[in-house]
Amino acid sequence: EAQLLESGGGLVQPGGSLRLSCAASGFTFRGYSINWVRQAPGKGLEWVSAISGTTGKTSYAESVKGRFTISRDKSENTLYLQMKSLRVEDTAVYYCAKAIFGFDEILDVWGQGTTVTVSS
Amino acid sequence: EVVMTQSPATLSVSPGERATLSCRASQSIGGNLAWYHQKAGQAPRLLIYGASTRVTGIPARFSGSGSGTEFTLTISSLQSEDFAVYYCQQYYHWPPGTFGQGTKVEVK
Repeated sequence: EAQLLESGGGLVQPGGSLRLSCAASGFTFRGYSINWVRQAPGKGLEWVSAISGTTGKTSYAESVKGRFTISRDKSENTLYLQMKSLRVEDTAVYYCAKAIFGFDEILDVWGQGTTVTVSS
Repeated sequence: EVVMTQSPATLSVSPGERATLSCRASQSIGGNLAWYHQKAGQAPRLLIYGASTRVTGIPARFSGSGSGTEFTLTISSLQSEDFAVYYCQQYYHWPPGTFGQGTKVEVK
């Protein structure tokens, strides 16, 4: 069974940095696109970033472009989201989610989420 | 960026009744629409993609329809485990994969 497990969340001051990890089990990253989606407290879902499973191409929401970097370590089957210049509005639960094979954006397996709080 | 608008914001339904949720796209997205639901404290779960294709394991009481800009998710007979927030997501003009703001289905 495919599973994802996020870690790395925590409390950080505005302007700080944090690196989230997403460990996969039950499948290998090869061929599967992985996305990050976040959810601010009491709010809806917001797509953040993705990395293509076939090309390695990365994509970002405008709200995080230039501040966040998505990457993957195929040997460890782990995905990362490096977050810099964090803002209060980045406070959210961050989910990593796997896309259906052959698609980049239909998300069929989600992790349980990791909470990022940006506050002074 | 495509804006997805869901209605209503909250839907109050009695168990066993039918629920109809709507999702509208600000421009045509063909049939490139997915539905997810999210129970309190849990991660979202994919229900339907391609506007009408149910994911393996999703009960037949869930059905999706529509194309272009207007889409509908119907739950034919609500069960207790169906009370949740439902999100639509377009993936035609991707990235970004924009989500609707959600419809909360609550017990009447």
